[in-house]
Amino acid sequence: GNSVTQMEGPVTLSEEAFLTINCTYTATGYPSLFWYVQYPGEGLQLLLKATKADDKGSNKGFEATYRKETTSFHLEKGSVQVSDSAVYFCALSVGSNYQLIWGAGTKLIIKP
Amino acid sequence: SAVISQKPSRDICQRGTSLTIQCQVDSQVTMMFWYRQQPGQSLTLIATANQGSEATYESGFVIDKFPISRPNLTFSTLTVSNMSPEDSSIYLCSVEGATGSDEQFFGPGTRLTVL
Repeated sequence: GNSVTQMEGPVTLSEEAFLTINCTYTATGYPSLFWYVQYPGEGLQLLLKATKADDKGSNKGFEATYRKETTSFHLEKGSVQVSDSAVYFCALSVGSNYQLIWGAGTKLIIKP
Repeated sequence: SAVISQKPSRDICQRGTSLTIQCQVDSQVTMMFWYRQQPGQSLTLIATANQGSEATYESGFVIDKFPISRPNLTFSTLTVSNMSPEDSSIYLCSVEGATGSDEQFFGPGTRLTVL
């Protein structure tokens, strides 16, 4: 079946550190891959997406590359800020019914 | 992207009562989704609601407990019936993105506490 596995949190970093949040997936077919972010007290926002192998999604300094050979979609940012503190969810979509398969979420804490 | 609003934003309810959550979208959409997010957890899909047809429920969710209405292409409601403390969660509605896109856009959520 389809599934998404994320690294467990919380991940605690100092401001300006390099960030990687790992995400691997299992899917039949050719999924689209997403990162969503949930800031404290807010709803989910789409952060970035990639729809085919080797695509790179990017937004707000975050990047993730769709790696079919390793079935991964790791989220990276070169220099994090306190305002990046949030919960990050990796998700995939397969098929035409628009349903998303979600990872467990990774809480990111950035300390000044 | 669509702008989605939900009412109420939060509520505290007594066990045994019911609460209806409204989801309003600023554009017409075919598919709307209702999710539950329990404290510190990921999202769990409750049901998919298409206008003009019965909602499709995921395993573990039943219409008697979570009746859904979808009267038109911009509005849906989810009712949480006969509530217990285990129903305390954030309830989120979402809609599909632009035609041909497989992303979803989310409302701000309704935080429900059942005493």
